[in-house]
Amino acid sequence: DADVTQTPRNRITKTGKRIMLECSQTKGHDRMYWYRQDPGLGLRLIYYSFDVKDINKGEISDGYSVSRQAQAKFSLSLESAIPNQTALYFCATKEAGTTDTQYFGPGTRLTVL
Amino acid sequence: SQQGEEDPQALSIQEGENATMNCSYKTSINNLQWYRQNSGRGLVHLILIRSNEREKHSGRLRVTLDTSKKSSSLLITASRAADTASYFCATYQGGSEKLVFGKGTKLTVNP
Repeated sequence: DADVTQTPRNRITKTGKRIMLECSQTKGHDRMYWYRQDPGLGLRLIYYSFDVKDINKGEISDGYSVSRQAQAKFSLSLESAIPNQTALYFCATKEAGTTDTQYFGPGTRLTVL
Repeated sequence: SQQGEEDPQALSIQEGENATMNCSYKTSINNLQWYRQNSGRGLVHLILIRSNEREKHSGRLRVTLDTSKKSSSLLITASRAADTASYFCATYQGGSEKLVFGKGTKLTVNP
């Protein structure tokens, strides 16, 4: 089984709808991250969480919110989706207190019509 | 903001040739990492080189790091069609635990 899983893998929705993307990990890591990838722009950090009680904004947090329900679960919500939020979304995890490898989920392809 | 910038943006080679990708970064780093992404899939960690290392090997991969020039290169030797992917360098911004990615190099290996 994959260490970092994301659901759904693909989602098409309409402008104004609320969407939740979920991430689960079995690596036992404290740090969890949400990234967005647009063509030609690489990955940009949306939110990150150091533990259940510590959530921080990243580079592009406007229009997004997150919830860290448990050490293993980190959800990303779009309260009112808009077309320019169409992108590939990745969750990642990392051990606490290191600047080492991040482990990525398979991604969620979100299309907002 | 982008910490790392890869060069070239796209690279097309024949199977068996070597592929070299470069990355430049802006601030001091503890380490620099390279990731691979197959089309539309998740990122896979390839190799990490620490700031006190100059060269590192892993299979057909060779990474160099020049901290004086704030640059790194990734060499893939004897490339295969399966190496076709996008390659990203990434560094932690200013000693924080936030990983910042470049825009990537898209490598195409033609059979």
